[in-house]
Amino acid sequence: DTEVTQTPKHLVMGMTNKKSLKCEQHMGHRAMYWYKQKAKKPPELMFVYSYEKLSINESVPSRFSPECPNSSLLNLHLHALQPEDSALYLCASSQVHSDNEQFFGPGTRLTVL
Amino acid sequence: AQKITQTQPGMFVQEKEAVTLDCTYDTSDPSYGLFWYKQPSSGEMIFLIYQGSYDQQNATEGRYSLNFQKARKSANLVISASQLGDSAMYFCAMREGNTGGFKTIFGAGTRLFVKA
Repeated sequence: DTEVTQTPKHLVMGMTNKKSLKCEQHMGHRAMYWYKQKAKKPPELMFVYSYEKLSINESVPSRFSPECPNSSLLNLHLHALQPEDSALYLCASSQVHSDNEQFFGPGTRLTVL
Repeated sequence: AQKITQTQPGMFVQEKEAVTLDCTYDTSDPSYGLFWYKQPSSGEMIFLIYQGSYDQQNATEGRYSLNFQKARKSANLVISASQLGDSAMYFCAMREGNTGGFKTIFGAGTRLFVKA
């Protein structure tokens, strides 16, 4: 299984809602990532988990809260988002070495009203 | 400072011809990896090819090859025999060893249009 899955594919939420994005992989990768991608821009790294521990937080606002409950799952909890948070959220996983490619999921298209 | 530079916002190529997508990078870390990803309109990022900073030979994967010129800090992607399905956004990316290899920096991307 060389696939990263993400749910939901699309999400529309209001600024007062609480929602979660889910990412799953079964490739035995011990590094997992969240990226945010605005239209016509490259992905921007948000968080990195290594061996289920948060390794990198790129100064992301606290309204985004990541969670890695086990080595296969990565969640992104959303609360009190702003319209400018509307974007494609990509999850990725990789082996824990700089010479290994990241495998990306299909992304969740988030719209904040 | 911009670490990955892709100077071609858009490129056109005739089907069955070869095309080169440019990428230059900047790092002081002797250990780094260079990647190319393809992103179709569906949104998923697809890994194409990898080149390590210590690799002596240029990487090749099927129709994709990476023209690695270390002294010039360039890592251009060459796609041979273009197909209509190659139309997509292409991102050059770098991972530096001194970040533990976790932090990938992407260039701005080049949108490739393949004409029939």
